[in-house]
Amino acid sequence: GESVGLHLPTLSVQEGDNSIINCAYSNSASDYFIWYKQESGKGPQFIIDIRSNMDKRQGQRVTVLLNKTVKHLSLQIAATQPGDSAVYFCAENGPRGGAAGNKLTFGGGTRVLVKP
Amino acid sequence: NAGVTQTPKFRILKIGQSMTLQCTQDMNHNYMYWYRQDPGMGLKLIYYSVGAGITDKGEVPNGYNVSRSTTEDFPLRLELAAPSQTSVYFCASSYEAQERGTQYFGPGTRLLVL
Repeated sequence: GESVGLHLPTLSVQEGDNSIINCAYSNSASDYFIWYKQESGKGPQFIIDIRSNMDKRQGQRVTVLLNKTVKHLSLQIAATQPGDSAVYFCAENGPRGGAAGNKLTFGGGTRVLVKP
Repeated sequence: NAGVTQTPKFRILKIGQSMTLQCTQDMNHNYMYWYRQDPGMGLKLIYYSVGAGITDKGEVPNGYNVSRSTTEDFPLRLELAAPSQTSVYFCASSYEAQERGTQYFGPGTRLLVL
């Protein structure tokens, strides 16, 4: 079946450095991608999204890059802070109105540990 | 708004017991979802609903049932609990007109089946 996966299960980052979290997806029909942040004991929280007609989108301290050629998604966090310590998930969705509807397929997650 | 609320927060079940996980949202969202998250893993969709009276299976529906009699509530039923259902369960909701990624998640229910 279709799947979304991550390359690195754990990422240790020095406070103030930039973080890069990678994600590979396999469904070439996916046209919408999302990054979620999950802190310990809490539900996932939306960070940023990107449509397949874009290759880059920026938010506050975060940037998502999409490479459709190699089906790769990444999340960059600038000036990583202790509050960024969490598990980060990528998710993908097929075309609106298609069989996928509003259903998201999540990757396995990457834990980011910020060292002071 | 309280957002998405889930009860209970934690429950221990014996094999074969049944229980209902409650989920309520007060944002008037028409889409609601149930996910399970196994330790160290991502979320897998169990069931979802696009509106009151309409439900559909997700990726891992076996062993679960849902109902959607109102816009606000989307309970998840386990009829015969099995150890494989030990997991953390998250309910989420979204508004159809919003971007698909804007799913609001509840705090989760941790279930242990022994």
